[in-house]
Amino acid sequence: GENVEQHPSTLSVQEGDSAVIKCTYSDSASNYFPWYKQELGKRPQLIIDIRSNVGEKKDQRIAVTLNKTAKHFSLHITETQPEDSAVYFCAAKDNYGQNFVFGPGTRLSVLP
Amino acid sequence: GAVVSQHPSRVICKSGTSVKIECRSLDFQATTMFWYRQFPKKSLMLMATSNEGSKATYEQGVEKDKFLINHASLTLSTLTVTSAHPEDSSFYICSARQGWSFNQPQHFGDGTRLSIL
Repeated sequence: GENVEQHPSTLSVQEGDSAVIKCTYSDSASNYFPWYKQELGKRPQLIIDIRSNVGEKKDQRIAVTLNKTAKHFSLHITETQPEDSAVYFCAAKDNYGQNFVFGPGTRLSVLP
Repeated sequence: GAVVSQHPSRVICKSGTSVKIECRSLDFQATTMFWYRQFPKKSLMLMATSNEGSKATYEQGVEKDKFLINHASLTLSTLTVTSAHPEDSSFYICSARQGWSFNQPQHFGDGTRLSIL
């Protein structure tokens, strides 16, 4: 089955700097990769996703890149702000399964 | 759009009580809903996949007789924790998939913090 690893587990950056979180997956059949942001005690919220037919997707300060050959994908946040502080989860899914497999999460702290 | 409502947000009850948690998709039809359990500072652990009109599919290690799932309509799934014990205390989150394609995002409810005394 699918296995998703995520690094780093914690990340602290200064406000205004960039943050990068990386995930690897094991199932080459996976073709959909969402990223979720979860603030303390709240629901995970979808912030961006990417499908396997593209290599990069951007939405304002957030971007995701996908390398299918290497089976890894990354979340990039530029010009970080204190409100970006949260736990970020990556996930992967293949065509045949209904379920996402989530990474263990990255706790991002943006220091003012 | 794509709002998922989960109720209640918090439950505190005595050991042996059964607790029902509701998950509703408010503005879309969800043929599939998912129930997760999340331990402090940990990732989301899938418990079961709930399909409208059929039996839920449980993940390995999850007791189906303890965690009863009902998905009677396209907008409502319920999770009942039967005869709850302190070890069942956790944060339970539901999600619903919008649309019929498997490659659609899941939208999460606010979660239910269950505390068993």
